[in-house]
Amino acid sequence: EAGVAQSPRYKIIEKRQSVAFWCNPISGHATLYWYQQILGQGPKLLIQFQNNGVVDDSQLPKDRFSAERLKGVDSTLKIQPAKLEDSAVYLCASSLEGGQPQHFGDGTRLSIL
Amino acid sequence: TQLLEQSPQFLSIQEGENLTVYCNSSSVFSSLQWYRQEPGEGPVLLVTVVTGGEVKKLKRLTFQFGDARKDSSLHITAAQPGDTGLYLCAGASLGSNYQLIWGAGTKLIIKP
Repeated sequence: EAGVAQSPRYKIIEKRQSVAFWCNPISGHATLYWYQQILGQGPKLLIQFQNNGVVDDSQLPKDRFSAERLKGVDSTLKIQPAKLEDSAVYLCASSLEGGQPQHFGDGTRLSIL
Repeated sequence: TQLLEQSPQFLSIQEGENLTVYCNSSSVFSSLQWYRQEPGEGPVLLVTVVTGGEVKKLKRLTFQFGDARKDSSLHITAAQPGDTGLYLCAGASLGSNYQLIWGAGTKLIIKP
């Protein structure tokens, strides 16, 4: 089966600019996750979707981050405006249901100048 | 707030040595997953343990779930350079959303 697809792989922007990431989960996976991973640390959950509904967005900085999963398949994560501390790898993952093993994409490495 | 503490945070050893990584919590989990992440890639699932006291083996890797389902360990025998990576544990919450609680990871380097 095809894995989780993410794009772009790399993105460099200046602070205060906006950026968007895209994720296509594994077909049939109801749950989709966006994580932020700082170098050398574990992933930090930003938002969890169950189909097209939000299950948990408690750690999403809602003043600058937004995410949507229209039609319960693909998802986009947006940052506007970006800050220096947003430099990280943004990982998308999907699973059949919440709590089940997650399948990750290779992530988008974001650098803020 | 549920927390998973991993130790050690960093480990650098010679090829052929044995090592153990720990994942501890005061909370009970319905299951616990171990992942390995290599540079530039996303984490990849190694194993899921579900039953208290369960032991699973994956070649030279042995995973154990604590009897009370609050802790887990990963033991690697005769480590190889290919074992180098970031090892992450994640516990499935007993809450209704079955969210995963992630440890901060153990960065493992095996020197040839």
